[in-house]
Amino acid sequence: DQQVKQNSPSLSVQEGRISILNCDYTNSMFDYFLWYKKYPAEGPTFLISISSIKDKNEDGRFTVFLNKSAKHLSLHIVPSQPGDSAVYFCAASDNQAGTALIFGKGTTLSVSS
Amino acid sequence: DTAVSQTPKYLVTQMGNDKSIKCEQNLGHDTMYWYKQDSKKFLKIMFSYNNKELIINETVPNRFSPKSPDKAHLNLHINSLELGDSAVYFCASSQRARGGYTFGSGTRLTVV
Repeated sequence: DQQVKQNSPSLSVQEGRISILNCDYTNSMFDYFLWYKKYPAEGPTFLISISSIKDKNEDGRFTVFLNKSAKHLSLHIVPSQPGDSAVYFCAASDNQAGTALIFGKGTTLSVSS
Repeated sequence: DTAVSQTPKYLVTQMGNDKSIKCEQNLGHDTMYWYKQDSKKFLKIMFSYNNKELIINETVPNRFSPKSPDKAHLNLHINSLELGDSAVYFCASSQRARGGYTFGSGTRLTVV
């Protein structure tokens, strides 16, 4: 029973273009959402987060959008760079209850130069 | 001065053995976690400790036992290892079980 779903296992984008990674969730109690980036043989590293009281959060080239009615969030990277090539994990939690992060399966992003 | 460090990074062992993975964080966080990433690449929560107290214990065989001697350390002991235990195990920490987590670099366990 996946509560956090990333339906696209991979995405290929050209350098300079926009990368859009998508994530869906099923648990309406989730109130905090995060994106993590992972390189091979390393642990996931925090990228950006958004609280359920917002619908957008921006940090440099990275923007996360949250659509609560659709239980959907997306990560936009613009412009994409070859160094962005990694696995991106979407994660969510019920922050009020202090539950552990629930992760999606990840999307492998490849940015070609 | 790694924030969350795990040892060993690689562990190859035979079925039936008992092994431990150690985790230490120097961030002053009060909550630590163990996650398992299996062959299907899912990152699944196993345990969570807050100030040395167990607060999350997902459906994990009782061959797995976490031990937290202090809030900076969370070790994972695994008894009677099975082939299905082969995975990458990640330790993580956070402050007050909220917000973003900081992960270690993982321990790749291979049971043969």
